[in-house]
Amino acid sequence: QKEVEQNSGPLSVPEGAIASLNCTYSDRGSQSFFWYRQYSGKSPELIMSIYSNGDKEDGRFTAQLNKASQYVSLLIRDSQPSDSATYLCAVSRWGNNRLAFGKGNQVVVIP
Amino acid sequence: EAGVTQFPSHSVIEKGQTVTLRCDPISGHDNLYWYRRVMGKEIKFLLHFVKESKQDESGMPNNRFLAERTGGTYSTLKVQPAELEDSGVYFCASSQGGRGASTEAFFGQGTRLTVV
Repeated sequence: QKEVEQNSGPLSVPEGAIASLNCTYSDRGSQSFFWYRQYSGKSPELIMSIYSNGDKEDGRFTAQLNKASQYVSLLIRDSQPSDSATYLCAVSRWGNNRLAFGKGNQVVVIP
Repeated sequence: EAGVTQFPSHSVIEKGQTVTLRCDPISGHDNLYWYRRVMGKEIKFLLHFVKESKQDESGMPNNRFLAERTGGTYSTLKVQPAELEDSGVYFCASSQGGRGASTEAFFGQGTRLTVV
């Protein structure tokens, strides 16, 4: 079983729509959850971090965490062409800073 | 403020040769990490420095890989001798804080290593 699963294939969304990305993790001891955005050939860029159950909003991004279900998601509202990128889910434990990554989801926003 | 800097951005070497990758973390960041992404796979942890000390090197594939962090500043990752399966993108990341604190990590652009 992979530590972090991002199973969805490439996601195409029309401009202005909501993009929804999902991630599950296997380690119940995970306490920190991150979403990174990576443009082709560029560094992964941290866009959201979440540590507690519930929702966290930052601009057009909302992260949702459900530790009981071992599930974290990312919503991108009013999607823009500049949001076209690969989104990486990453988790870590307290006291252990190593990140476990999912394979990523490619998002394509269609103008 | 400068971000995490990695050098070189690309490296093509022959099997059996040696390659050294360098990472300059964000100034003041005690934590420095190396990760690797092999084609088609997820980014995998290699090791973690806190200042000049190796905190966790459980992700290092084998003893052909040697990481150092001189004086707690920049770090190098040497692969000797390189094998075909070492090809991939090697990322360096850094974060503030000490052991026990889960802090946000900032990544460099990576070094794309191709072993032929």
